[in-house]
Amino acid sequence: GAVVSQHPSRVICKSGTSVKIECRSLDFQATTMFWYRQFPKKSLMLMATSNEGSKATYEQGVEKDKFLINHASLTLSTLTVTSAHPEDSSFYICSAKEGADTEAFFGQGTRLTVV
Amino acid sequence: DAKTTQPPSMDCAEGRAANLPCNHSTISGNEYVYWYRQIHSQGPQYIIHGLKNNETNEMASLIITEDRKSSTLILPHATLRDTAVYYCIVSDNTDKLIFGTGTRLQVFP
Repeated sequence: GAVVSQHPSRVICKSGTSVKIECRSLDFQATTMFWYRQFPKKSLMLMATSNEGSKATYEQGVEKDKFLINHASLTLSTLTVTSAHPEDSSFYICSAKEGADTEAFFGQGTRLTVV
Repeated sequence: DAKTTQPPSMDCAEGRAANLPCNHSTISGNEYVYWYRQIHSQGPQYIIHGLKNNETNEMASLIITEDRKSSTLILPHATLRDTAVYYCIVSDNTDKLIFGTGTRLQVFP
């Protein structure tokens, strides 16, 4: 299947700092990318949908000013967790689709720990 | 909210077929059935998807009932590496994937 790469795979940051997570589609152009977060032993929760060149659409209850999403190109989307707090510690996962008629492929995830 | 219902857990002996059921009684005519799995601490892996016909690929088979209200994912010869959480999702191809709680499949020797 297609390859979606996330970086970093793990990150530890101090409270109050910001962290950027990158999501790249390596062998296809992703018109749409999705960001999820996952707490231990829970399912994935969709945070937002981003389309290249336009603003992201956030799910209800997700703060857009705290979780900044930029989909600047057809192969790259970034999620920035601003002013991180310990409760933001989670597993963040991106996925990407080439087009409307295709399946989504997922990155390997980023484990964020805020101390 | 997820539009599917799956049993929370299942066991399967190595080498036997694993049959994972999914109910999606409110599926719309343009919605596909997708199956993904997630091995611990990794991103979900795409397995298979279908609209109304049965589908087969190198990983699995997908059997969709004629009324499309339920489906079954079949792993023909389960191995220990198939131990994972399996998610059944319904979505049209223009929409996002909303994950339910999935089925935790444990393959034992």
